[in-house]
Amino acid sequence: NAGVTQTPKFRILKIGQSMTLQCTQDMNHNYMYWYRQDPGMGLKLIYYSVGAGITDKGEVPNGYNVSRSTTEDFPLRLELAAPSQTSVYFCASSYSAGGAYEQYFGPGTRLTVT
Amino acid sequence: KNEVEQSPQNLTAQEGEFITINCSYSVGISALHWLQQHPGGGIVSLFMLSSGKKKHGRLIATINIQEKHSSLHITASHPRDSAVYICAVRVSGGGADGLTFGKGTHLIIQP
Repeated sequence: NAGVTQTPKFRILKIGQSMTLQCTQDMNHNYMYWYRQDPGMGLKLIYYSVGAGITDKGEVPNGYNVSRSTTEDFPLRLELAAPSQTSVYFCASSYSAGGAYEQYFGPGTRLTVT
Repeated sequence: KNEVEQSPQNLTAQEGEFITINCSYSVGISALHWLQQHPGGGIVSLFMLSSGKKKHGRLIATINIQEKHSSLHITASHPRDSAVYICAVRVSGGGADGLTFGKGTHLIIQP
């Protein structure tokens, strides 16, 4: 099992550009999450999904969109990138309700917006 | 005020020392997680506990639900234990939206 994979590992965007961060898991987990990690801060939840076709906002959703067309994939879309979106992004998955089961994290995507 | 507070923020110790990292939380929880983030950035789950104590190798995690406090201990610390240790909680009655995270404790073990 590869677990949770994310691409790309690094990316530099110009202000106003758009991009999609890819996340795939091969553990047949229903629950998937996108977090961002800023220096000196705890991880913050951007969006989450409880299954294919179902997504919901987390704590910091502004400027992002997600979709969940399959159990395996949970891409995060940044529209009109802003410097405030410079961060490290982590995708995670779990067997069931977040926090009640172990979460498995991807390796992260380091994004810089200039 | 952050719902999950960790102390210390930074800790430097010598190889072989007994390490304790503390986590306090201000809300009712149904589970608490300890995570490890290595310098390369990857995050792995160490423990998930809702009561008592768990042990894995040189790592021990304890939780006191009444006092809203958890500790992570490392015995016979080694330079490879150098990492950021993150405490996270699942709030009682919380939905599917997962965990609330502390800011992490940056641990350096010197040879």
